[in-house]
Amino acid sequence: DVKVTQSSRYLVKRTGEKVFLECVQDMDHENMFWYRQDPGLGLRLIYFSYDVKMKEKGDIPEGYSVSREKKERFSLILESASTNQTSMYLCASRPGTLREKLFFGSGTQLSVL
Amino acid sequence: AQSVTQPDIHITVSEGASLELRCNYSYGATPYLFWYVQSPGQGLQLLLKYFSGDTLVQGIKGFEAEFKRSQSSFNLRKPSVHWSDAAEYFCAVGAGRTSYDKVIFGPGTSLSVIP
Repeated sequence: DVKVTQSSRYLVKRTGEKVFLECVQDMDHENMFWYRQDPGLGLRLIYFSYDVKMKEKGDIPEGYSVSREKKERFSLILESASTNQTSMYLCASRPGTLREKLFFGSGTQLSVL
Repeated sequence: AQSVTQPDIHITVSEGASLELRCNYSYGATPYLFWYVQSPGQGLQLLLKYFSGDTLVQGIKGFEAEFKRSQSSFNLRKPSVHWSDAAEYFCAVGAGRTSYDKVIFGPGTSLSVIP
């Protein structure tokens, strides 16, 4: 079975810190995604990547960047964490086209104090 | 740009009752449509998807959904709800036909089941 692993389940950071959220998938999927989930807003797409070293902005990329140096790993970076970035962050991967389903990780609950 | 609305933030049903969760999308052509479920403490799981063809699609766990182009809707149904169906349900829409295409999620509907 496909496994999408997010490095931390819970994370507490201070305002202004640089934060790294790591995501690894073990099925050689081409596409990887970062969403944030907030009550009443559902999942909002931050960034996605369709190939190594390739990235595309989602709907809410401000304050975030990403890195994909290897196919299996997709990192989300908060350059200078702010309290409004407190959220649940979900990583997902997909084998290929839109017809394929998304495989989600368990999520990282980030609190910025 | 595509978007998804789920008019019901929260729904409560009794166990054994029927269920319908509403979803409306905005997109110029026929989109790809999905329903995902997020059970407490678990990751999101695909229930079903629609691309083309028969407008009534069957999914896992006894769920089905019907695509109605005239109403831009993709409502999820289940004839008899089980207590284990209590979860958050997300409708999602995707556009395009390549690997570069993204999936946009609605705000979700939280389902509570009364024993």
